[in-house]
Amino acid sequence: DVKVTQSSRYLVKRTGEKVFLECVQDMDHENMFWYRQDPGLGLRLIYFSYDVKMKEKGDIPEGYSVSREKKERFSLILESASTNQTSMYLCASKSGPLLEFFGPGTRLTVL
Amino acid sequence: GEDVEQSLFLSVREGDSSVINCTYTDSSSTYLYWYKQEPGAGLQLLTYIFSNMDMKQDQRLTVLLNKKDKHLSLRIADTQTGDSAIYFCAETEILTGGGNKLTFGTGTQLKVEL
Repeated sequence: DVKVTQSSRYLVKRTGEKVFLECVQDMDHENMFWYRQDPGLGLRLIYFSYDVKMKEKGDIPEGYSVSREKKERFSLILESASTNQTSMYLCASKSGPLLEFFGPGTRLTVL
Repeated sequence: GEDVEQSLFLSVREGDSSVINCTYTDSSSTYLYWYKQEPGAGLQLLTYIFSNMDMKQDQRLTVLLNKKDKHLSLRIADTQTGDSAIYFCAETEILTGGGNKLTFGTGTQLKVEL
């Protein structure tokens, strides 16, 4: 069973804190993605990565950065969390044309 | 960027058919997808259709694709309470540097009433 796991299901942070969201997949997938999900806006792509140490900006990269030091791990970093980054964050991975595997999500609240 | 639109809510009675509609903008999309998200869970790939197909059927699910109008629909026959979820359509956007990424719609909340 392919698994995409995310380090936390729920996270509460304060404005200005540095936040790390971790995503790990166990199927040797080259491509990994970070989305945020907000009601009425669907999923929006923040960053994605085709391979180790490679990263590409998605549609809403502002305020975020990413790290892909190992193939199985893709980290999303909020350098200085703000209240408008309160959201559900979803990680996904794929190797072929189909984006099939999503993590369970991390619900982040920034106070 | 590309745009994918869906209505936000749909309510049906148990046993009826549900039809969830989606419009997209990228005519070069190779695959179009339907995902299901149950409360508190991540996204589950429900079905997909290749862009050279008009229809795909998979048990209770029927996907119809009208490429001319850039319209995609998902029909769920004999809708059950377990089908209550948010349904997302998504299109593939081909990137100028190669590779592709998905653009998702806003999601349709399907509520199944007894």
